Amino acid sequence: NAGVMQNPRHLVRRRGQEARLRCSPMKGHSHVYWYRQLPEEGLKFMVYLQKENIIDESGMPKERFSAEFPKEGPSILRIQQVVRGDSAAYFCASSPDMRNTIYFGEGSWLTVV
Amino acid sequence: AQRVTQPEKLLSVFKGAPVELKCNYSYSGSPELFWYVQYSRQRLQLLLRHISRESIKGFTADLNKGETSFHLKKPFAQEEDSAMYYCALRAGSNYKLTFGKGTLLTVNP
Repeated sequence: NAGVMQNPRHLVRRRGQEARLRCSPMKGHSHVYWYRQLPEEGLKFMVYLQKENIIDESGMPKERFSAEFPKEGPSILRIQQVVRGDSAAYFCASSPDMRNTIYFGEGSWLTVV
Repeated sequence: AQRVTQPEKLLSVFKGAPVELKCNYSYSGSPELFWYVQYSRQRLQLLLRHISRESIKGFTADLNKGETSFHLKKPFAQEEDSAMYYCALRAGSNYKLTFGKGTLLTVNP
């Protein structure tokens, strides 16, 4: 099992551009979570998705951020019109169900210049 | 609301010395506590969960409900233990993990 795969590992965007971060969950996992780690901070929950459904997006900024987990393909975290404050590490995690152990990917480091 | 506090941002010990990484939590119900480890920008790996009461890589952690703590301990630190350690809490039937800010452990030769 390859584990949770995230790409790109590192992404540099200019202010105003769009960032797309992809996450392929572990085989057999249909629950995906996105967490954000700002500099000097712990990981903070952003969104929880199951296939084709957003279950909880209470941690997502109200504007510019969106997430999806289509029937086929990886989960995508999309940040439109990035600003410097979006620079952070974005971690994806997956689990087979909501009560089981959560497994994390290696993270995607976004730098906005 | 739940909160996890890791009071030490940095912890440095010598090889062979005992190590304790502190974690305190606030939550009114019965929490589920975890320790995750991250080696140099690799993925977060689950190190321990309190309900399994197991020892991984020589690390142990005991949930102390009276002190609301879940400190991570190892009697003899190794250089390969150098990493970032995160304590996390899952509240009741919730799926969200609440993380502390992490402690960077450095084990010196």
